[in-house]
Amino acid sequence: AQKITQTQPGMFVQEKEAVTLDCTYDTSDPSYGLFWYKQPSSGEMIFLIYQGSYDQQNATEGRYSLNFQKARKSANLVISASQLGDSAMYFCAMRGGAYGGSQGNLIFGKGTKLSVKP
Amino acid sequence: GAGVSQSPSNKVTEKGKDVELRCDPISGHTALYWYRQSLGQGLEFLIYFQGNSAPDKSGLPSDRFSAERTGGSVSTLTIQRTQQEDSAVYLCASSSTSGGFTDTQYFGPGTRLTVL
Repeated sequence: AQKITQTQPGMFVQEKEAVTLDCTYDTSDPSYGLFWYKQPSSGEMIFLIYQGSYDQQNATEGRYSLNFQKARKSANLVISASQLGDSAMYFCAMRGGAYGGSQGNLIFGKGTKLSVKP
Repeated sequence: GAGVSQSPSNKVTEKGKDVELRCDPISGHTALYWYRQSLGQGLEFLIYFQGNSAPDKSGLPSDRFSAERTGGSVSTLTIQRTQQEDSAVYLCASSSTSGGFTDTQYFGPGTRLTVL
């Protein structure tokens, strides 16, 4: 069965500093995608970044980067130069390929609440 | 372009009543997903539509829950005889293809359902 684990229920970071949000995953499927979403207090899930299991390089999107360590089954999100607007819940999610019998849906972790201090 | 839209944004109902939640996916997206987010259970998959194929209903928690998608676009999630444990935020997402694990899902703002 596929599983996503986020071990940090809450984190604090000082404005302008970098922060790493942890995510580990478990799957027997060789083909999978890893996603990070941001959910501010308004409730909408905002897509941030994607990493495929066959991607050789770590994904980057602006201030977001994904530290993908396939052997360790980890996909940590790094936010550089934190801003007050980064305060939100962050969810790591995975979707498997057809080989693993994936239903097509995302499997989510429980999330990490990030608070950016001025 | 326009994102995924959902209506209503908030719904308060009495136990035992039926409710309908609506989702308009991003134009041209063939795949549509419903999820439920509650404090105790986190984010749970409910149902998935891909084009004209039969939907994947494996996540529906009971037979009180059903969904349909008309014309390959708008979807309605129906909950019959609502119970207090149905109180949650219901999120809809869509994606442009459903070819596999590279598919990015884009979410709507959700419908907050409160069952009194």
